[in-house]
Formats: sequence, structure tokens, C-alpha cells
Amino acid sequence: GAVVSQHPSWVICKSGTSVKIECRSLDFQATTMFWYRQFPKQSLMLMATSNEGSKATYEQGVEKDKFLINHASLTLSTLTVTSAHPEDSSFYICSAHRPVGWTDTQYFGPGTRLTVL
Amino acid sequence: TQLLEQSPQFLSIQEGENLTVYCNSSSVFSSLQWYRQEPGEGPVLLVTVVTGGEVKKLKRLTFQFGDARKDSSLHITAAQPGDTGLYLCAGPRSGGGNKLTFGTGTQLKVEL
Repeated sequence: GAVVSQHPSWVICKSGTSVKIECRSLDFQATTMFWYRQFPKQSLMLMATSNEGSKATYEQGVEKDKFLINHASLTLSTLTVTSAHPEDSSFYICSAHRPVGWTDTQYFGPGTRLTVL
Repeated sequence: TQLLEQSPQFLSIQEGENLTVYCNSSSVFSSLQWYRQEPGEGPVLLVTVVTGGEVKKLKRLTFQFGDARKDSSLHITAAQPGDTGLYLCAGPRSGGGNKLTFGTGTQLKVEL
């Protein structure tokens, strides 16, 4: 099956620092990856679409200068939370798109718990 | 805007009971997917339904796609504590880009 990993699984940082989260598709190539944010007991909120070889596209209301996305290769996308503040504390999940037949299937990473002190 | 409303939002039941979770929209979807997410983990795909009226079974889970492709349901028979988790429906967002619209989620807790 398709496997997507995230690193780190959890991170605690001080307010004002930057944190980088990696998302890797381990057994398939993904030209498109997605970054989501999830608050406790709530659904996933799409933040941005990461496109290999081009700029990421951000959902309305998501600050592109705060959440930097780099899709350096067909198996790696990174999300950097710059100048993190306590309100950025959340569960960040990535997914990698892989066509399965003619349906849009996304395979999700295990998530990264970010806590900003 | 395509919205997927799930009901109920929370559900706490005893082991052995049956339950149904609903996913409703006013928009037509070409397909719908169901995911289960456990605490501290990413969502795991359970099923994809693509044809109006389609019924798929996965052990004790039965998924149905509405005839008009605007709604779906998930029925669990004889629930077990291992079924505990957040259940999410999702459908492809109009406009392409392979994006998904996620439902509002149903938090299920199955107690012994």
C-alpha cells in the first residue's frame, strides 16, 4: 500500500522560532501533496497544495509568508512554520495524491503535533 | 461552496450496538470517500464509492452512496471498542486540482 511519512511526529518550540515539518511519500512519486491543519476533535482544514517544481497554492485565509512550503522532489514536501506563536499550535497532517483508477485518492501521513510555548 | 455535513457529531455507544453515520450535501459529488482517524494519527481510507446507489461492505461496515450522489452513509454492525475514532467523509472538490472537501466529522466512542 501507499505509505506517507512525516517527521517529526511531535515538536515543542519557543515562540518566535521556526519549525520545519517533512512529508515523504515512501513508495510512490507524488507531484501533488497537501497540507492540512486539524484542531482537537475537528475535521481537517486544507491549508495549501504543494506542487513539485512550482509554487504552492494557498487556501483563502492562510498566510503564505508564515507557512512556507517547498516541494523539492517527487517524494518530499516541507512545511515551515515561521516565527511560530502559541496560536499556531495544532496537528499538521500532509497527504500525497496518487491516482487510483479515476478517483482522487490521497494517502495521509501520521501527522505532526506542534506545540508552541 | 461544497459542504459535507456529518451527523451525528458525537456518538457514544456500548459494545455490540449498531450505528449509522450520515454524510449529506446539497452538491453532487463524483465520488465520496470515508476515512477513520485515531487520536494522534492521520486519516486512513476505508472506502471509495463512485456509483449512485452503490453499497460496499467492509467486514462489519456497510457504506452506501445516495442515488443522487449527494449523500452517503456508514453503518456499523455490532460495534467494538476498536471502532472508536473520528469518521470523516470526503469528496473531490469542484474545480479540479485533486483537492478534497472533508465532512465535519463524527466522533465515535465504543465502550465495553
